[in-house]
Amino acid sequence: NAGVTQTPKFQVLKTGQSMTLQCAQDMNHNSMYWYRQDPGMGLRLIYYSASEGTTDKGEVPNGYNVSRLNKREFSLRLESAAPSQTSVYFCASSEWHSNTEAFFGQGTRLTVV
Amino acid sequence: GNSVTQMEGPVTLSEEAFLTINCTYTATGYPSLFWYVQYPGEGLQLLLKATKADDKGSNKGFEATYRKETTSFHLEKGSVQVSDSAVYFCALSGGADGLTFGKGTHLIIQP
Repeated sequence: NAGVTQTPKFQVLKTGQSMTLQCAQDMNHNSMYWYRQDPGMGLRLIYYSASEGTTDKGEVPNGYNVSRLNKREFSLRLESAAPSQTSVYFCASSEWHSNTEAFFGQGTRLTVV
Repeated sequence: GNSVTQMEGPVTLSEEAFLTINCTYTATGYPSLFWYVQYPGEGLQLLLKATKADDKGSNKGFEATYRKETTSFHLEKGSVQVSDSAVYFCALSGGADGLTFGKGTHLIIQP
């Protein structure tokens, strides 16, 4: 049982380049999330999808877009990368959007130069 | 809105010492509470949870009790090991947008 799988694990981008972070879960969960983790800031929610077919902004959505491709997959796109987007990105999923634990992927370490 | 406050550390202890990491929260309604652990280079793993007031979550020697009257969910362990060195996150879940996290506590256990 793979759980939550993120790709890639590491990425270096130049300012202005675009990329998509992929996330897939095999637990038949309804809700999926994208977080970023920065030193001293904890985890901050970028976007979430409470159920298939819906997406909503979290705390720090600027500069990002998401697509809930199907129940399994939730991608995060950076259209024009900026150094401020250097971070570790985590995808997570949960059975429902409230009062259930979330399961996390291994993370993507992104550096924008 | 919801928020979680926890001591940030780093917290440095000797092996076999008693551990407490404080966590307090602000939330509307009746959230579930969680502790997650993150080992170096890895994602977050659920350590324990509690879903209602006075519930005690426990796992791997760690415990935390959901105290509604003090809005707290402090993490404790009686005797820590070097392998417990990690970052610990307190979190709550009560709304449509999933979990709200504290900033994390870096725990260092010295042999």
